[in-house]
Amino acid sequence: SYELTQPLSVSVALGQTARITCGGKNIGSKNVHWYQQKPGQAPVLVIYRDSNRPSGIPERFSGSNSGNTATLTISRAQAGDEADYYCQVWDSSTVVVFGGGTKLTAL
Amino acid sequence: EVQLVESGGGLVQPGRSLRLSCAASGFTFDDYAMHWVRQAPGKGLEWVSTISWNSGSIDYADSVKGRFTISRDNAKNSLYLQMNSLRAEDTALYYCAKDITRLGESFDQWGQGTLVTVSS
Repeated sequence: SYELTQPLSVSVALGQTARITCGGKNIGSKNVHWYQQKPGQAPVLVIYRDSNRPSGIPERFSGSNSGNTATLTISRAQAGDEADYYCQVWDSSTVVVFGGGTKLTAL
Repeated sequence: EVQLVESGGGLVQPGRSLRLSCAASGFTFDDYAMHWVRQAPGKGLEWVSTISWNSGSIDYADSVKGRFTISRDNAKNSLYLQMNSLRAEDTALYYCAKDITRLGESFDQWGQGTLVTVSS
């Protein structure tokens, strides 16, 4: 079955750039989607199909995908960006796969 | 405004059944695939099941295959999850989620979830 690997935690200084990775075998050949989940809230889609932002998501959020790694980049990090972030792909064998999630801490 | 409202959760004994419902509004329900995703307390997201726009394609996670049944009623803008033979490990917050396509790819709208607790 297909697996996605994310770091457990990432820290970022306020105003700096955070990068959260999502590793998977040949993930560059798949569409990767990213979700933000704040404590006690439902997840929110922040990036779909590798690099597209839904309406209402700030331009500070961007995504890329190549080879075996997809990356969510958060520029000019704010305290309000603190959350858990999950990557997700659609795989022919496993159907829907989520990464284990990364806790972003803003310092 | 898109709204997804789950209901039907609660405390249930192992081996018993429960039926979850999700009432959708604010979009053309029968244009999109729908999903159930769960999250055990303090854990990550786990996909449970997907149903395409016309119920022609249905998929389940291995962990629930043979025990859970997803269905939808497009006339009622509603999504369902029939859960049988419940186990302690099924304890989680169950989210209903809308897809961005008719067949299934990504989840652009989520409900607030309904809590299922399986315990004797």
